[in-house]
Amino acid sequence: QKEVEQDPGPLSVPEGAIVSLNCTYSNSAFQYFMWYRQYSRKGPELLMYTYSSGNKEDGRFTAQVDKSSKYISLFIRDSQPSDSATYLCAMSARTGGFKTIFGAGTRLFVKA
Amino acid sequence: GAVVSQHPSRVICKSGTSVKIECRSLDFQATTMFWYRQFPKQSLMLMATSNEGSKATYEQGVEKDKFLINHASLTLSTLTVTSAHPEDSSFYICSARDPGGGGYEQYFGPGTRLTVT
Repeated sequence: QKEVEQDPGPLSVPEGAIVSLNCTYSNSAFQYFMWYRQYSRKGPELLMYTYSSGNKEDGRFTAQVDKSSKYISLFIRDSQPSDSATYLCAMSARTGGFKTIFGAGTRLFVKA
Repeated sequence: GAVVSQHPSRVICKSGTSVKIECRSLDFQATTMFWYRQFPKQSLMLMATSNEGSKATYEQGVEKDKFLINHASLTLSTLTVTSAHPEDSSFYICSARDPGGGGYEQYFGPGTRLTVT
């Protein structure tokens, strides 16, 4: 079993839809959770990061962490064609020296 | 957010030659930098962790004599692909951890596309 599981998609939605991207993990020591966006042929860009459980909102993006279920989500409201990219979840733990484990990435297509 | 640059963005070299890729943190000092490799439509594969002033820590299966990493200063790490072969063609991405932030998030460079002919 991989430490971090993420459905690779692709996920195709119409413009304006609410997008839900998810990851599950097995290591209960993970405390730091991140979401990255990667456009084709570019390096990943840090979108959101959270510590421990709870929600964090930034504009159209909301990150949620449910440590009891070992489940994290990224919601994108009012999705735009420019949101079309691959979204990677990532997580790390202090006990692991903050080694970051990445999900496989979900490819998202937002159709105009 | 913190900015990481990478140079060159694209390089084509002949089989058997060596290629050096530079990774710089532009507005922060990075005690730790990371080198990743990414194949088309696949996720990031960590190659090595580079700490300033010490030897890099390589992931299992990564040949340290082939992928030489040097982290000579707090803002610069280099990856040298020695005696490159076509199977080394890939997208190489570096990242750096900003200790001034939360300390756990990584900032990525734009990547270097290496093609070995």
